[in-house]
Amino acid sequence: QAHLVESGGGVVQPGRSLRLSCAASGFTFRNHGMQWVRQAPGKGLEWVAVIYYDGSQQYYADSVKGRFTISRDNSKNTLYLQMSGLRAEDSAVYFCARDQGHYHHNGMDVWGQGATVTVSS
Amino acid sequence: QSALTQPASVSGSPGRSITISCTGTSSDVGGYNYVSWYQQHPGKAPKLIIYDVTNRPSGVSNRFSGSKSGNTASLTISGLQAEDEGDYYCSSYASSTTLVVFGGGTKLTVL
Repeated sequence: QAHLVESGGGVVQPGRSLRLSCAASGFTFRNHGMQWVRQAPGKGLEWVAVIYYDGSQQYYADSVKGRFTISRDNSKNTLYLQMSGLRAEDSAVYFCARDQGHYHHNGMDVWGQGATVTVSS
Repeated sequence: QSALTQPASVSGSPGRSITISCTGTSSDVGGYNYVSWYQQHPGKAPKLIIYDVTNRPSGVSNRFSGSKSGNTASLTISGLQAEDEGDYYCSSYASSTTLVVFGGGTKLTVL
C-alpha cells in the first residue's frame, strides 16, 4: 500500500525558513515524479513544485520561485521542500503527492495527509 | 485567480447526473491530453478520479467520466450519491513557467 507522510510543518515568523519532509513507503519511490501542492485555509489547491523521478529536473510555481527548493533522496525514499523568505501568503496545508509517471503530467494518485505551515509574527 | 476556470458550485439530486466544466487555453487544457480531476472531502487529501482526460484509476467508480472539447474539459458524475458531495478540482499540464495548473474548484451539493 503506497503511503506518504509529511512532517516539518509549524509556525514560523515572516522571512524565516522551514523544511518539509515527505516519507514514502509501499512503492518504488525512485520511479515516480513527486510534487508539492498547497491549500490555504478555505481556498483551492495550488501547485507548488515538481521534481522528476531521478531528481534531474525541478519546476516551480511563479509564486515560490527563487524562495522554495524541492529535492529528493531516493536512497531514503524521502521528498523535501526547503522554504525560505516565508510570507504570510505561504500559510497553507502542504501536501506531497506522487505522480503516476516519471515526471509531472500523469495525475497525482497518492497524497500525504498534509503538513500545516503558518507564517505569522 | 486560478489558471483554469470552474463553476463555483453545482448541485443535483440523488440518481441524477451533473457535469463540471474546466476551461483553460490552448497552452494547457486545449493543447494536451493531460487533464486530471480530483475529489476532496472536508479535511481530507484530494483523491485522483480522472487522469489523461478520460482515464479512471483502479478502484474509482465508473459513475465518474471525463471528456474534453477544445479548451474545455468536463467531469460528469452519473447516478449521484450522497457520498459524492465535496469539492472537485481540475488540473492540467501547462506549457508555461507554471508547469501544472489547477482550477479554482467546484463545490458539489447532492440535494
